Amino acid sequence: EPEVTQTPSHQVTQMGQEVILRCVPISNHLYFYWYRQILGQKVEFLVSFYNNEISEKSEIFDDQFSVERPDGSNFTLKIRSTKLEDSAMYFCASSEEVASGNTIYFGEGSWLTVV
Amino acid sequence: GNSVTQMEGPVTLSEEAFLTINCTYTATGYPSLFWYVQYPGEGLQLLLKATKADDKGSNKGFEATYRKETTSFHLEKGSVQVSDSAVYFCALSLLTGGFKTIFGAGTRLFVKA
Repeated sequence: EPEVTQTPSHQVTQMGQEVILRCVPISNHLYFYWYRQILGQKVEFLVSFYNNEISEKSEIFDDQFSVERPDGSNFTLKIRSTKLEDSAMYFCASSEEVASGNTIYFGEGSWLTVV
Repeated sequence: GNSVTQMEGPVTLSEEAFLTINCTYTATGYPSLFWYVQYPGEGLQLLLKATKADDKGSNKGFEATYRKETTSFHLEKGSVQVSDSAVYFCALSLLTGGFKTIFGAGTRLFVKA
């Protein structure tokens, strides 16, 4: 079964450093998302992306965050200057279309630890 | 606003016990409803979904019925196994200009042998 893949599975970085999390969405999907889950807390929406631009973003997704689809397969999340509170599991997701009932498929997550 | 509320955990059951995890939602419009499962150390997996009122989603012995009148989507399983130990997330998806999934806080289930 096709799946969303993410790298790295775990990254430890120093506060203030830039981090790039990578994702390969399911190949025929057109809509891409990032979510995050701080340890023990709710899964939160960060951003959605379609046709090479952001279609929606949450208040969490401030100027420190950016997303990009640099080629035909990868979808990246960049955090410019990481803070301790950015430590979380980051989930990439994709969906075939935007329609009622459509399922978003999640990757296994990238666990980011900021020290 | 749009939100999902699910029962707090952890829920601890013995093997073969009956499971119910309550989930209620608030939404503008007509959402689709989902249950996702997160096994220890793994990502989010879709367990089941329902796209309209009175639909029943089912998978791996789990089931949930979309109840519009009570805005609920409770997860049930007749006989749980140790391997069902995980965190279960109720979620809704909406078209809101964009399209996103809103999650409940998650309910951790422990099943003892």
